[in-house]
Amino acid sequence: EADIYQTPRYLVIGTGKKITLECSQTMGHDKMYWYQQDPGMELHLIHYSYGVNSTEKGDLSSESTVSRIRTEHFPLTLESARPSHTSQYLCASSEFGPQADTQYFGPGTRLTVL
Amino acid sequence: AQSVTQLGSHVSVSEGALVLLRCNYSSSVPPYLFWYVQYPNQGLQLLLKYTTGATLVKGINGFEAEFKKSETSFHLTKPSAHMSDAAEYFCAVSYYNQGGKLIFGQGTELSVKP
Repeated sequence: EADIYQTPRYLVIGTGKKITLECSQTMGHDKMYWYQQDPGMELHLIHYSYGVNSTEKGDLSSESTVSRIRTEHFPLTLESARPSHTSQYLCASSEFGPQADTQYFGPGTRLTVL
Repeated sequence: AQSVTQLGSHVSVSEGALVLLRCNYSSSVPPYLFWYVQYPNQGLQLLLKYTTGATLVKGINGFEAEFKKSETSFHLTKPSAHMSDAAEYFCAVSYYNQGGKLIFGQGTELSVKP
Protein backbone atom coordinates (compact mmCIF):
# COMPACT_ATOMS: atom_id res chain seq x y z
CA GLU A 1 0.00 0.00 0.00
CA ALA A 2 1.22 3.46 -0.90
CA ASP A 3 2.27 5.66 2.00
CA ILE A 4 1.96 9.28 1.04
CA TYR A 5 0.68 11.83 3.50
CA GLN A 6 -0.65 15.33 3.22
CA THR A 7 -1.33 17.83 5.98
CA PRO A 8 -3.50 19.59 6.70
CA ARG A 9 -6.46 17.82 5.10
CA TYR A 10 -8.58 20.97 5.30
CA LEU A 11 -7.47 24.59 5.67
CA VAL A 12 -9.55 27.75 5.85
CA ILE A 13 -7.47 30.90 5.91
CA GLY A 14 -7.76 34.62 5.31
CA THR A 15 -6.45 36.56 2.35
CA GLY A 16 -2.79 37.56 2.55
CA LYS A 17 -1.65 34.76 4.85
CA LYS A 18 1.37 32.64 4.06
CA ILE A 19 0.63 28.91 3.98
CA THR A 20 2.59 25.73 3.49
CA LEU A 21 0.97 22.47 2.44
CA GLU A 22 2.95 19.46 3.54
CA CYS A 23 3.52 16.27 1.54
CA SER A 24 5.61 13.32 2.66
CA GLN A 25 6.14 9.84 1.31
CA THR A 26 7.86 6.86 2.89
CA MET A 27 8.40 4.84 -0.29
CA GLY A 28 11.74 6.36 -1.25
CA HIS A 29 10.34 7.62 -4.55
CA ASP A 30 12.46 10.08 -6.49
CA LYS A 31 9.64 11.69 -8.47
CA MET A 32 7.05 13.86 -6.73
CA TYR A 33 4.22 15.97 -8.11
CA TRP A 34 1.67 18.59 -7.06
CA TYR A 35 -1.69 18.79 -8.81
CA GLN A 36 -4.48 21.33 -8.46
CA GLN A 37 -8.06 20.11 -8.76
CA ASP A 38 -11.14 22.31 -8.80
CA PRO A 39 -14.49 20.66 -7.95
CA GLY A 40 -15.71 18.43 -10.76
CA MET A 41 -12.70 19.19 -12.88
CA GLU A 42 -9.58 17.40 -14.03
CA LEU A 43 -6.25 17.53 -12.26
CA HIS A 44 -3.67 19.99 -13.50
CA LEU A 45 0.05 19.55 -12.81
CA ILE A 46 1.49 22.65 -11.13
CA HIS A 47 4.91 21.44 -9.90
CA TYR A 48 7.10 18.37 -10.10
CA SER A 49 10.46 17.14 -8.93
CA TYR A 50 12.73 14.36 -10.11
CA GLY A 51 14.82 14.30 -6.96
CA VAL A 52 16.54 16.34 -4.27
CA ASN A 53 17.18 19.94 -5.36
CA SER A 54 15.15 19.41 -8.54
CA THR A 55 11.93 21.38 -9.05
CA GLU A 56 10.07 22.29 -12.22
CA LYS A 57 6.87 24.15 -13.02
CA GLY A 58 4.03 22.14 -14.44
CA ASP A 59 1.57 22.78 -17.21
CA LEU A 60 -0.72 25.04 -15.17
CA SER A 61 0.74 28.32 -14.05
CA SER A 62 0.69 28.70 -10.29
CA GLU A 63 1.79 31.40 -7.85
CA SER A 64 2.89 28.71 -5.42
CA THR A 65 6.46 27.55 -4.93
CA VAL A 66 7.93 24.20 -3.92
CA SER A 67 11.16 22.87 -2.49
CA ARG A 68 12.79 19.44 -2.37
CA ILE A 69 15.50 19.35 0.26
CA ARG A 70 14.82 15.75 1.30
CA THR A 71 13.69 12.86 -0.86
CA GLU A 72 10.63 12.17 1.25
CA HIS A 73 9.38 15.75 1.62
CA PHE A 74 7.88 18.07 -1.02
CA PRO A 75 6.13 21.07 0.56
CA LEU A 76 4.15 23.66 -1.39
CA THR A 77 4.08 27.28 -0.25
CA LEU A 78 1.82 30.22 -1.03
CA GLU A 79 3.41 33.48 0.15
CA SER A 80 0.15 35.43 0.11
CA ALA A 81 -3.05 33.46 -0.22
CA ARG A 82 -5.93 34.82 -2.30
CA PRO A 83 -9.50 33.58 -2.89
CA SER A 84 -8.43 32.46 -6.38
CA HIS A 85 -6.17 29.89 -4.68
CA THR A 86 -9.19 28.09 -3.26
CA SER A 87 -8.95 24.54 -4.58
CA GLN A 88 -7.92 21.01 -3.73
CA TYR A 89 -4.21 20.25 -3.88
CA LEU A 90 -3.07 16.67 -4.46
CA CYS A 91 0.46 15.37 -4.01
CA ALA A 92 1.76 12.26 -5.76
CA SER A 93 4.97 10.30 -6.04
CA SER A 94 6.46 7.63 -8.30
CA GLU A 95 9.65 5.71 -8.81
CA PHE A 96 12.32 6.99 -11.16
CA GLY A 97 12.27 4.23 -13.69
CA PRO A 98 10.26 3.17 -16.72
CA GLN A 99 8.18 5.99 -18.11
CA ALA A 100 4.90 4.30 -17.28
CA ASP A 101 5.58 4.16 -13.56
CA THR A 102 2.50 4.44 -11.41
CA GLN A 103 1.85 7.64 -9.48
CA TYR A 104 0.62 7.19 -5.91
CA PHE A 105 -1.58 9.96 -4.56
CA GLY A 106 -2.04 11.43 -1.13
CA PRO A 107 -5.51 12.24 0.25
CA GLY A 108 -5.31 15.90 -0.72
CA THR A 109 -5.58 19.25 1.03
CA ARG A 110 -8.73 21.23 0.51
CA LEU A 111 -7.82 24.92 0.77
CA THR A 112 -10.35 27.70 1.19
CA VAL A 113 -9.15 31.31 1.17
CA LEU A 114 -11.66 33.82 2.46
CA ALA B 1 -1.83 19.46 -28.25
CA GLN B 2 -2.15 16.16 -26.44
CA SER B 3 -5.42 15.77 -24.60
CA VAL B 4 -7.77 13.27 -23.00
CA THR B 5 -11.53 13.35 -23.43
CA GLN B 6 -13.97 11.51 -21.22
CA LEU B 7 -17.41 11.38 -22.78
CA GLY B 8 -20.05 12.11 -20.16
CA SER B 9 -19.33 13.98 -16.95
CA HIS B 10 -22.04 11.96 -15.18
CA VAL B 11 -23.02 8.33 -15.75
CA SER B 12 -25.78 6.61 -13.83
CA VAL B 13 -26.37 2.86 -13.81
CA SER B 14 -28.47 0.46 -11.81
CA GLU B 15 -26.85 -1.98 -9.43
CA GLY B 16 -25.93 -5.11 -11.39
CA ALA B 17 -25.87 -3.32 -14.74
CA LEU B 18 -22.91 -2.94 -17.06
CA VAL B 19 -20.60 0.00 -16.40
CA LEU B 20 -19.04 1.68 -19.44
CA LEU B 21 -16.92 4.82 -19.04
CA ARG B 22 -15.45 6.25 -22.21
CA CYS B 23 -11.99 7.70 -22.74
CA ASN B 24 -10.34 8.93 -25.92
CA TYR B 25 -6.93 10.51 -26.36
CA SER B 26 -5.61 12.74 -29.09
CA SER B 27 -2.09 12.15 -30.27
CA SER B 28 -0.40 10.37 -33.15
CA VAL B 29 1.90 8.56 -30.75
CA PRO B 30 0.27 5.85 -28.62
CA PRO B 31 0.53 6.85 -24.97
CA TYR B 32 0.64 4.90 -21.77
CA LEU B 33 -2.92 4.82 -20.43
CA PHE B 34 -4.32 4.85 -16.92
CA TRP B 35 -7.63 4.78 -15.11
CA TYR B 36 -7.81 6.19 -11.60
CA VAL B 37 -10.74 6.25 -9.15
CA GLN B 38 -11.37 8.96 -6.57
CA TYR B 39 -13.76 8.43 -3.68
CA PRO B 40 -15.14 11.48 -1.85
CA ASN B 41 -12.54 13.37 0.16
CA GLN B 42 -9.78 10.99 -0.87
CA GLY B 43 -6.86 10.94 -3.25
CA LEU B 44 -6.68 8.98 -6.49
CA GLN B 45 -6.22 5.22 -6.58
CA LEU B 46 -4.95 3.37 -9.64
CA LEU B 47 -7.50 0.98 -11.15
CA LEU B 48 -5.42 -0.25 -14.07
CA LYS B 49 -2.87 0.80 -16.66
CA TYR B 50 -1.78 -0.12 -20.16
CA THR B 51 1.86 0.09 -21.22
CA THR B 52 2.60 -2.55 -23.85
CA GLY B 53 1.47 -6.04 -24.75
CA ALA B 54 -2.05 -7.36 -24.35
CA THR B 55 -4.55 -4.66 -25.15
CA LEU B 56 -7.16 -5.93 -22.69
CA VAL B 57 -6.08 -4.93 -19.20
CA LYS B 58 -7.65 -6.19 -16.00
CA GLY B 59 -7.60 -4.07 -12.87
CA ILE B 60 -8.84 -4.04 -9.31
CA ASN B 61 -12.47 -4.33 -8.20
CA GLY B 62 -13.51 -6.21 -11.36
CA PHE B 63 -12.76 -3.38 -13.80
CA GLU B 64 -11.07 -3.84 -17.14
CA ALA B 65 -10.20 -1.66 -20.11
CA GLU B 66 -9.25 -2.27 -23.71
CA PHE B 67 -6.76 -0.20 -25.67
CA LYS B 68 -7.93 0.29 -29.25
CA LYS B 69 -5.25 2.10 -31.21
CA SER B 70 -7.39 2.54 -34.33
CA GLU B 71 -10.04 4.30 -32.26
CA THR B 72 -7.56 6.07 -29.90
CA SER B 73 -9.71 4.81 -27.07
CA PHE B 74 -9.30 3.19 -23.66
CA HIS B 75 -12.82 2.60 -22.35
CA LEU B 76 -13.36 1.26 -18.84
CA THR B 77 -15.92 -1.50 -18.20
CA LYS B 78 -17.29 -3.61 -15.41
CA PRO B 79 -19.89 -6.31 -16.05
CA SER B 80 -21.95 -5.72 -12.92
CA ALA B 81 -22.04 -2.49 -10.94
CA HIS B 82 -21.92 -2.41 -7.15
CA MET B 83 -23.11 0.42 -4.95
CA SER B 84 -19.51 0.76 -3.76
CA ASP B 85 -18.42 1.65 -7.32
CA ALA B 86 -19.99 5.10 -7.00
CA ALA B 87 -17.05 7.51 -7.34
CA GLU B 88 -15.25 9.84 -9.75
CA TYR B 89 -13.21 8.11 -12.46
CA PHE B 90 -10.31 9.72 -14.28
CA CYS B 91 -8.61 8.59 -17.45
CA ALA B 92 -5.01 9.74 -17.86
CA VAL B 93 -2.15 9.39 -20.33
CA SER B 94 1.58 9.81 -20.26
CA TYR B 95 4.19 9.76 -22.99
CA TYR B 96 7.61 8.17 -23.16
CA ASN B 97 9.47 11.43 -23.78
CA GLN B 98 7.70 13.49 -21.10
CA GLY B 99 9.15 12.10 -17.92
CA GLY B 100 6.06 10.28 -16.72
CA LYS B 101 3.88 13.38 -16.34
CA LEU B 102 0.18 12.55 -16.46
CA ILE B 103 -2.43 14.35 -18.53
CA PHE B 104 -5.90 13.84 -17.08
CA GLY B 105 -9.36 13.83 -18.56
CA GLN B 106 -12.07 15.89 -16.89
CA GLY B 107 -13.45 12.92 -14.99
CA THR B 108 -16.71 10.98 -15.00
CA GLU B 109 -18.87 10.75 -11.92
CA LEU B 110 -20.46 7.31 -11.65
CA SER B 111 -23.71 6.94 -9.72
CA VAL B 112 -25.14 3.51 -8.92
CA LYS B 113 -28.86 3.23 -8.23
CA PRO B 114 -30.21 0.43 -6.04
